[in-house]
Amino acid sequence: GQQLNQSPQSMFIQEGEDVSMNCTSSSIFNTWLWYKQDPGEGPVLLIALYKAGELTSNGRLTAQFGITRKDSFLNISASIPSDVGIYFCVQGGSEKLVFGKGMKLTVNP
Amino acid sequence: ETGVTQTPRHLVMGMTNKKSLKCEQHLGHNAMYWYKQSAKKPLELMFVYNFKEQTENNSVPSRFSPECPNSSHLFLHLHTLQPEDSALYLCASSQESTVNQPQHFGDGTRLSIL
Repeated sequence: GQQLNQSPQSMFIQEGEDVSMNCTSSSIFNTWLWYKQDPGEGPVLLIALYKAGELTSNGRLTAQFGITRKDSFLNISASIPSDVGIYFCVQGGSEKLVFGKGMKLTVNP
Repeated sequence: ETGVTQTPRHLVMGMTNKKSLKCEQHLGHNAMYWYKQSAKKPLELMFVYNFKEQTENNSVPSRFSPECPNSSHLFLHLHTLQPEDSALYLCASSQESTVNQPQHFGDGTRLSIL
């Protein structure tokens, strides 16, 4: 079955630093989504990617749909304390979305 | 505010109780979903409803019973639950339950089974 590997599983950074995370898949699908989940809340969509090679930005966030269609990365520039949370990569293209295990980000002021 | 509201936010129940989780979306979407989120595990899709019809049951035990009376409301009826059912239950909606449709999530119900 389809498997998503999200790495790293957690990161501790200082405020102002950039951070990068990525996901790889065992399968090729048509959609990559990146979500963020704050403590006590549901996941919120950050960026949606629909084409191989697509590079999309949302403020300080940038995500890319890998050329091979089996991977995607998310970069956060100039991190701030409110960036803390769990970041999920999600792959779609079949009947249902498949979620990665998440990357827990801690930002030290 | 994501447009998807879940109640209650927290629920503690015994294994013999019967309770229901409620989800309401104000986004005009036609598909709704139930997910289970347990610690250190990926989100697990439980049920999918598209235009009020159940289109996916991801091998969920019968002690979980979904109900979708209309495209805006989704319920999850619970009875005779087990301790391992303690988790965050998330509701989501999307325009339709087809590919390439981002889902919008509620804030979840934190369920604890005693």
